[in-house]
Order: sequence, then C-alpha cells, then structure tokens
Amino acid sequence: GDSVTQMEGPVTLSEEAFLTINCTYTATGYPSLFWYVQYPGEGLQLLLKATKADDKGSNKGFEATYRKETTSFHLEKGSVQVSDSAVYFCALWYSSASKIIFGSGTRLSIRP
Amino acid sequence: EPEVTQTPSHQVTQMGQEVILRCVPISNHLYFYWYRQILGQKVEFLVSFYNNEISEKSEIFDDQFSVERPDGSNFTLKIRSTKLEDSAMYFCASSETPAGTGELFFGEGSRLTVL
Repeated sequence: GDSVTQMEGPVTLSEEAFLTINCTYTATGYPSLFWYVQYPGEGLQLLLKATKADDKGSNKGFEATYRKETTSFHLEKGSVQVSDSAVYFCALWYSSASKIIFGSGTRLSIRP
Repeated sequence: EPEVTQTPSHQVTQMGQEVILRCVPISNHLYFYWYRQILGQKVEFLVSFYNNEISEKSEIFDDQFSVERPDGSNFTLKIRSTKLEDSAMYFCASSETPAGTGELFFGEGSRLTVL
C-alpha cells in the first residue's frame, strides 16, 4: 500500500548548520507531497507542499523538491535556528482519497 | 487566529471503559478527520468525515470506534470499550477543502492512556 518513510531521529545539529531530513514514498500514480511540523505543545501544521514532479515547495527557509525518479521529497534548510527544533512529518495525498498519509516523524533538536 | 481545540488533553481510563474525545473544528471548515499516534510510531489515519457522513475509514476504525457531529460545532470520537493498544495521542483535524487540496489544521491532541 501507499506509505511514507522518513529518516529516524532524533537529529541534533548546531545552530547555522545545514539540515537534510530524508523522505521517500511508495505509491501508485502521482500523489501530492507535504511536510508538516509540530512544535512542542502544539498540533501539526503545514510547512510546505508540492503537487507534481519537479515542483519545489518552500517556506520559512525550508525547501523540498518532488523527485519522481527517486520517489523522494527531502526537506532541506541552509542554516537552522534554535526555533526550528520540532518534529517534522513527511506526508502524501491522492486526489481520489479523503486522507493524508503521514510518516513517523523526525525529531530535530538545534543546539545554540 | 482560528484554531482546532481538543479536550481532554489527557485521559486515563481502565480497559473496557468507554471514552469520548472531543474536538471543536474551525468554524467554516467542512471536512473533519481523526488521526492517532502510538508513542514513537507513525501518525495513522483513522477516519474522515464530510456532510455528516464518514468519507473514508482505516482498518483500525472498527466497530469499537464511532464519530459524531452532534451539534454543528463539536466533532467527537468515541471508543466503546477501550483496549490497552488504544493508548495513543489522538489528533483531530479540519479543512475547508478536501484533504490535500488545501491545508489540514490540527488540534494539539488528546493523550489517551488505557490501564
């Protein structure tokens, strides 16, 4: 069935380091892809999305490119901040479905 | 800013007891969802709801589970007879448009502990 696989955490980085969180998906057809973020004590919130191959989603300095050939949607940021500490979820959706499928989440901790 | 609110934030119950988790979605939203996350595992889809009907449900959502929108503002998840494996964080979400075309707005979650 359809699924999303993320790199396991926790990921710990120093401030201003480069971030990559890997995400790959298994699906038939061409789903839309998302990154959601959950800050401590809050619900999940949409960070960025891409709806077709080669699209790049971006927000708050984060980027992810929809790669059909590698079925990937890796999250990147050039220079992380302490405020980026959170749990990040990769997710996918089909137009025929009434649900979004989430990965297991990757906890990111940034040291000052 | 409008938000999805969930109550209770944490509930502890005995195995076999009924539990109702409550959610108040954003007022102009039409699509509603429940997800759950067992500690350290994936965020799993349970059910989606639109126009007073279930749109889709997962295999987890068996006869022990039900959802209701009793009064046009609340959206509830009932577990009839809880099992140990129902212990998880339950997230409610709502959206103005169908899942994936727009944004799902999530509540902060209700943690259920079954003893």
